Amino acid sequence: QSVLTQPPSASGTPGQRVTISCSGSSSNIGSNTVNWYQQLPGTAPKLLIFDYNQRPSGVPDRFSGSKSGTSASLAISGLQSEDEADYYCAACDDRLNGNWVFGGGTKLTVL
Amino acid sequence: VQLVESGGGVVRPGGSLRLSCAASGFTFDDYGMSWVRQAPGKGLEWVSGIYWNGGSTGYADSVQGRFTISRDNAKNSLYLQMNSLRAEDTALYHCVRGGSPRGYHMDVWGQGTTVTVSS
Repeated sequence: QSVLTQPPSASGTPGQRVTISCSGSSSNIGSNTVNWYQQLPGTAPKLLIFDYNQRPSGVPDRFSGSKSGTSASLAISGLQSEDEADYYCAACDDRLNGNWVFGGGTKLTVL
Repeated sequence: VQLVESGGGVVRPGGSLRLSCAASGFTFDDYGMSWVRQAPGKGLEWVSGIYWNGGSTGYADSVQGRFTISRDNAKNSLYLQMNSLRAEDTALYHCVRGGSPRGYHMDVWGQGTTVTVSS
């Protein structure tokens, strides 16, 4: 079982807005920043969001992140077919000496 | 910015392997580094991280006592010594910039090297 909990799957139609949740605890999301990664089939993960809501250069502003208490969310607006991928959240965990933990991943399907 | 892993292969349970990662395109000793693995069909698992100067390291519980992370800043290289390998260590191992304990986020990933533990 992953320390951070994500729904295993999500789906939406082109143009729709989709949200993926990541639930943790006071020792990880509650006290440390959250990052999100996108993994397209057969490729290495790519940083999508860091420090809760910051986008690296080149990531479209359709992707946004937020946090509330011990949970975080990734929102994708204007869904496109190329957004079909696995998405992972990650954070440091103070109970694990600051080691990093990942969510189990959410497979996003664009219908 | 590039990270290139090597050293993967097929090994019997109880055996050892040493993974290497060659970094280029950035100032290597400005960053903590880490290893993240992905078992076939499974999610991401942070394995180990090391500070920019090697002064502090961290390990997932699943590999503590069996794996050792190290780095050579003069060679822009990261390493992972894996001993007492088990079937459940079978995975694609990614070298990642960032990801040291309480450190900078993981922002650049290598393509990975495959480790298969099988008799």
